[in-house]
This record gives sequence, C-alpha cells and structure tokens, in this order.
Amino acid sequence: GQNIDQPTEMTATEGAIVQINCTYQTSGFNGLFWYQQHAGEAPTFLSYNVLDGLEEKGRFSSFLSRSKGYSYLLLKELQMKDSASYLCAVLDSNYQLIWGAGTKLIIKP
Amino acid sequence: GAVVSQHPSRVICKSGTSVKIECRSLDFQATTMFWYRQFPKQSLMLMATSNEGSKATYEQGVEKDKFLINHASLTLSTLTVTSAHPEDSSFYICSARNLAGPSYNEQFFGPGTRLTVL
Repeated sequence: GQNIDQPTEMTATEGAIVQINCTYQTSGFNGLFWYQQHAGEAPTFLSYNVLDGLEEKGRFSSFLSRSKGYSYLLLKELQMKDSASYLCAVLDSNYQLIWGAGTKLIIKP
Repeated sequence: GAVVSQHPSRVICKSGTSVKIECRSLDFQATTMFWYRQFPKQSLMLMATSNEGSKATYEQGVEKDKFLINHASLTLSTLTVTSAHPEDSSFYICSARNLAGPSYNEQFFGPGTRLTVL
C-alpha cells in the first residue's frame, strides 16, 4: 500500500528553527510537495522536490532523499503566523497526490 | 497566476436538499480537476478526479450518484452533493492542474467550501 508518515504535532518557539520530517512509501515517485494549511483554509503551496537535495526559499527549505524515501521541511526564524498544519504529499506513478495526515505546528512566544 | 476560485465559500442547507459547488480556474486552463473532502483535524481525502469532457473517476467508497461531478469546460468543474445529510457536512476543496503549463505537476487549490447540513 501507499503510506506517508509525518508527526502529528510539533511545538516550537518563536524565532527558533523547526524541522518537520516526512517518510513515504508509494508506487512510483514523481515528486514531493509541502503545503501549509491554516485552520479553515485550503492548503497553500510551499515547495516541490523531485531531485535529491535541498531547495531553499526564504525562511523555508525542503530536503529530499529518494533512496531513503525521506523529506523534511525546515522553517527558520519562526513567526507566530507559521502556526499551521504542514502537509507532505507525494505524486505517485499515476500522478495522483498521496497525502500525509499533516503535522500541526504550534508556535509559542 | 494559477488562481482557483470556489463558490460558495460557505453553505448551510437542510437535510435532503442538493448543493452545487463551483470550482473555476481563473487564469489558466485546467486539464484536470480534483475534489477533496476534509473532516475536522483530518487530512485531505481525494473524492474524485475529473478531466475536461470525460466522466470523473471516483475514489473507492465515494458514491458517484451522490456526489455528481461535471467538468464541462477547461475552466469550470462543479460538484453537486445530492440529498445532503448531516454526515456530508465537511470542508470541500477543489484543485486544478494544468498539464500544459510549466508547473504541470502542481495542484492549485481553491479556497474551499464549508458545507453544513442541518
């Protein structure tokens, strides 16, 4: 079966750094997405990795290792507005997005 | 670019009525549209995938006669929840993909529709 695992909830302090991990087992791989979702809103795109390595975009970075079936989202200089759920999703061989359950990130002052 | 709109954003209806939700791609042609449902504190659940001009492909467990999907044009897809019941209350989100565009693997999400069935 297809499976995506990420922690249910994480807590971090404003101004700090947090890393949200995601491991996956899917039938085929055509890329991995990270989305941010605030409560009651639709997901918004953060990053897309299809090759191994680190992609940096401002305060957010995303890393991928295809051989390990592993990705992480790194958030630096955390702000209160970063409190949200972070969804990891993998595009499988049929170009279907397989979603993780999401990681709820709580930022404390 | 790549903006997807949904209408209505929120709807409250009585049990037994039908509700239509529209999803539009505003500045691109959506070759494929997806409909998701999300219950509180749960992840997105794909309901169906639709390609313009063809019948939607429903995920296992989703009743196609209850959730009618029409993707009549490259910019519009509709989801009709027929004879809605309280258990259908959820957050419905559409997304669209443009296979001909530079971000062909990305799904662009609409803002979602909150359905409450009394």
